Amino acid sequence: AQSVSQHNHHVILSEAASLELGCNYSYGGTVNLFWYVQYPGQHLQLLLKYFSGDPLVKGIKGFEAEFIKSKFSFNLRKPSVQWSDTAEYFCAVKNQAGTALIFGKGTTLSVSS
Amino acid sequence: NAGVTQTPKFRILKIGQSMTLQCTQDMNHNYMYWYRQDPGMGLKLIYYSVGAGITDKGEVPNGYNVSRSTTEDFPLRLELAAPSQTSVYFCASSSERITDTQYFGPGTRLTVL
Repeated sequence: AQSVSQHNHHVILSEAASLELGCNYSYGGTVNLFWYVQYPGQHLQLLLKYFSGDPLVKGIKGFEAEFIKSKFSFNLRKPSVQWSDTAEYFCAVKNQAGTALIFGKGTTLSVSS
Repeated sequence: NAGVTQTPKFRILKIGQSMTLQCTQDMNHNYMYWYRQDPGMGLKLIYYSVGAGITDKGEVPNGYNVSRSTTEDFPLRLELAAPSQTSVYFCASSSERITDTQYFGPGTRLTVL
């Protein structure tokens, strides 16, 4: 069965530190990949998505992700985090049937000021 | 636009009770989804719908039922509540295809005692 693995359960950073959150998926065919974020007390919202083309995808709030097909990875990055980036981050992949998203277990990011 | 709205926000049920979680979207989206989120487990798809009158099972449908009589509404029914259904439930919608951005509601926190 398809799956998504997020390596880090909880990441703690100081403001201005660089961020990289790992995401690996199991499906080897054409993939559509997503990063969603859930800020405290708010709805899940889309950060960025990859369908095709340039493997380096830029999203909102200075986030970017790189699709590396050979590594089945779609890691999320930000050069300098802010306190307001404190949230839970979810990686997701479209399932093979094209009917739904499969989510990873999420990574909680805590940024101290 | 209100986006995706869910009611109630919180609910406590006794084992064996029934309830309906309401979900409404005002974006004229064809696709709608129900997820449950358990701590440390990410989001699991319960049911989804690709349009009025069309629903299908997701990854964890047991113990739940859905209907889709209109484009706007996608209620989730729990017939015989069990402690294993204690979770946070999210409704989401997207416009045309699964690859489109999913818009999430604020969630319903359900406790079954």
